[in-house]
Amino acid sequence: DVKVTQSSRYLVKRTGEKVFLECVQDMDHENMFWYRQDPGLGLRLIYFSYDVKMKEKGDIPEGYSVSREKKERFSLILESASTNQTSMYLCASSLPSGFAGNTIYFGEGSWLTVV
Amino acid sequence: AQKITQTQPGMFVQEKEAVTLDCTYDTSDPSYGLFWYKQPSSGEMIFLIYQGSYDQQNATEGRYSLNFQKARKSANLVISASQLGDSAMYFCAMRVSGNTPLVFGKGTRLSVIA
Repeated sequence: DVKVTQSSRYLVKRTGEKVFLECVQDMDHENMFWYRQDPGLGLRLIYFSYDVKMKEKGDIPEGYSVSREKKERFSLILESASTNQTSMYLCASSLPSGFAGNTIYFGEGSWLTVV
Repeated sequence: AQKITQTQPGMFVQEKEAVTLDCTYDTSDPSYGLFWYKQPSSGEMIFLIYQGSYDQQNATEGRYSLNFQKARKSANLVISASQLGDSAMYFCAMRVSGNTPLVFGKGTRLSVIA
């Protein structure tokens, strides 16, 4: 079974702290994604990566950065956490293909509270 | 750019009845895939069903079926014989190629009543 693991399920951080959210997948997927989920807004894409050291901005990249040094690991970084970044963060991975049908696999989510 | 619209923020259904969750989409790409996910209160995203833009028949997976109307750009999810465990958030999503991300709608919260 594909497994996408997010290192922290629940985090509480202080305003201004640097926060790392780690995501690891064990299926050799090229594509990895970070989404943010807020009530009434659905899932919004922060960043995605289609290969090691490659990254693309999503819809809401401001205040975030990412790192993909190894194929299996995609890290989301909040350089200076703010209260408006309190949210649930979902990591996902998938294979690339010429078809849109391959399923994207999700981690269990990381609930971040910034106080 | 792709867009997914789910117009029902919340829905109620009686146990054992069928329910339809609406989803419309917008894309200029002729090749795309449509997905439905279930998200219980635990937060995990559970893949339910997939429909490719060139698929001739509507997708079905157990109690889930996708009512795909290409000309109307709609991809409604039908859940038959609702169960209490179906209470969750449901997201419709689209992807236009294998190297692009899923684009999600805002979701519909389904509540199944005994």
